[in-house]
Amino acid sequence: KAGVTQTPRYLIKTRGQQVTLSCSPISGHRSVSWYQQTPGQGLQFLFEYFSETQRNKGNFPGRFSGRQFSNSRSEMNVSTLELGDSALYLCATKWGTGEETQYFGPGTRLLVL
Amino acid sequence: KQEVTQIPAALSVPEGENLVLNCSFTDSAIYNLQWFRQDPGKGLTSLLLIQSSQREQTSGRLNASLDKSSGRSTLYIAASQPGDSATYLCAVPSNTDKLIFGTGTRLQVFP
Repeated sequence: KAGVTQTPRYLIKTRGQQVTLSCSPISGHRSVSWYQQTPGQGLQFLFEYFSETQRNKGNFPGRFSGRQFSNSRSEMNVSTLELGDSALYLCATKWGTGEETQYFGPGTRLLVL
Repeated sequence: KQEVTQIPAALSVPEGENLVLNCSFTDSAIYNLQWFRQDPGKGLTSLLLIQSSQREQTSGRLNASLDKSSGRSTLYIAASQPGDSATYLCAVPSNTDKLIFGTGTRLQVFP
């Protein structure tokens, strides 16, 4: 069974640009969560999608948005990039919304110059 | 508001030692706790998930315990190996299902 895949793996952007990251869950998984990891703040929750609906949202500005498609693949978008958006963006997937293990992808490393 | 703390922040040990990593959480109303491993620049690998009704979980040389009443979990690594070098993170779900992560313990095992 293939694991969680994230594309692209690395990305360099400049301030003011926008970026779209993609996450393909493990086959059969319908829940996708996104996290931002930085050296200063650690791992912070961005949002969670289940069956194309956003279930939860973390404390991030509206520049951060996401969506989920009918095949459970998810994208997150960051508009008007700032230097502080440089981070490792991780997605995690699981089958449902219950108390089960979440499986993480390898992440997308975003550098904003 | 749930807060998760891990000590020590970093640990460097010779190969073969038995290790204990600690995780503390402020709100004991959790339904599970998960331990992850993260290699430099990589994603997270789930190691063990302990349900609130359990006190221990074991996988190979890893053993995790959970004491909800005291707000603590420990990850025990037996006979450490250089390949165990990584950052270890614990995480608990909030009431909205998102994971709240600890600050991590960076482990280095040298030959």
